[in-house]
Amino acid sequence: DVKVTQSSRYLVKRTGEKVFLECVQDMDHENMFWYRQDPGLGLRLIYFSYDVKMKEKGDIPEGYSVSREKKERFSLILESASTNQTSMYLCASNLAGGQYNEQFFGPGTRLTVL
Amino acid sequence: QKEVEQDPGPLSVPEGAIVSLNCTYSNSAFQYFMWYRQYSRKGPELLMYTYSSGNKEDGRFTAQVDKSSKYISLFIRDSQPSDSATYLCAMNGFQKLVFGTGTRLLVSP
Repeated sequence: DVKVTQSSRYLVKRTGEKVFLECVQDMDHENMFWYRQDPGLGLRLIYFSYDVKMKEKGDIPEGYSVSREKKERFSLILESASTNQTSMYLCASNLAGGQYNEQFFGPGTRLTVL
Repeated sequence: QKEVEQDPGPLSVPEGAIVSLNCTYSNSAFQYFMWYRQYSRKGPELLMYTYSSGNKEDGRFTAQVDKSSKYISLFIRDSQPSDSATYLCAMNGFQKLVFGTGTRLLVSP
């Protein structure tokens, strides 16, 4: 079974702090994704990566950066956390060139910024 | 206008009811259509996928795609309390999936 793990289930940070969210997948997937999920807005893509050291902006990259130094690990960084970044953050991965692009999700990190 | 529209609900039904969940989309290039199920405090999991138009059945679940109307549906027969979850439709875009906002379904015993 594909397993995508995220470093924390719940996180509370203060405004202005630098926040790291880590994601690891164990199925040798080329592609990895970071989403945030908010009520009424659904899943919104922040960044994705299709290879080590490669990254592409998603729909809402402002205020975020990412790092992919190893194939299995994709990190989301909030350089200076703000209250409007309070959200559920979901990491996902999939194979490159898959027919229907099925993505496998981690359990999510609920981040609260005070 | 969003590429994919989905009613957020909540949709409340009694146990045993037939449930219909729907999405509309605007991009005629979409070829694969998926339904994800997300339980509370969990990540989404793929429930079903369909290629192009037509129906696909898996137990109590039927996925239907009408490309001419840009409309997809998920039917749940004999709904159970364990079906209570958020259901997200998704469609394949270039390098990424495009998701609906999700419909929250509540099945009461």
